[in-house]
Amino acid sequence: GAGVSQSPSNKVTEKGKDVELRCDPISGHTALYWYRQSLGQGLEFLIYFQGNSAPDKSGLPSDRFSAERTGGSVSTLTIQRTQQEDSAVYLCASSSRGGGGRGQPQHFGDGTRLSIL
Amino acid sequence: QKEVEQDPGPLSVPEGAIVSLNCTYSNSAFQYFMWYRQYSRKGPELLMYTYSSGNKEDGRFTAQVDKSSKYISLFIRDSQPSDSATYLCAILKSGGSNYKLTFGKGTLLTVNP
Repeated sequence: GAGVSQSPSNKVTEKGKDVELRCDPISGHTALYWYRQSLGQGLEFLIYFQGNSAPDKSGLPSDRFSAERTGGSVSTLTIQRTQQEDSAVYLCASSSRGGGGRGQPQHFGDGTRLSIL
Repeated sequence: QKEVEQDPGPLSVPEGAIVSLNCTYSNSAFQYFMWYRQYSRKGPELLMYTYSSGNKEDGRFTAQVDKSSKYISLFIRDSQPSDSATYLCAILKSGGSNYKLTFGKGTLLTVNP
């Protein structure tokens, strides 16, 4: 498809397990972003990739969170030893290049809804 | 004070009404302003994008930016039931970290037929 694709769409797991969330950006988009959306906090920035590099990881909540991007395309967000407070919708976005400046809006996928039991 | 404030609503209007949605922001470094629409269990969809003060119109939607007051608005004319969604304002700084969207918490809008 033409849009940002995320999988799985839903994930339920037990506390303490590791999870991997996948994002396939729009073809040709060099910039990729992860955000988290939770009821009390709204949408929060997690990490930004330009190509395979992550110049800004400042939004990752703890060292249990990590992300990588390979081939300048697919990205994986990994959460180790999940906690109940990790329950949220994890959204991925991409843009044609870094920055949100003129003509480079961020386009979002439908997210992965993560529930930690 | 949060960087972006948005009244969460909910807002309920009859079909055909004019809807006004608003956000305020505190940081004058914010230079790019967006409105996203989010349907239930879907990702945010970009509606409007502007980088200057004034109005920008697209069909039934008008985005308004007042940088002097740090106030942005989205107007929806002739609202339709299909406009029922959560509307999120999002703002970007210029210069460094000009990729990190700062979102308002969203306003839930219901348009009743």
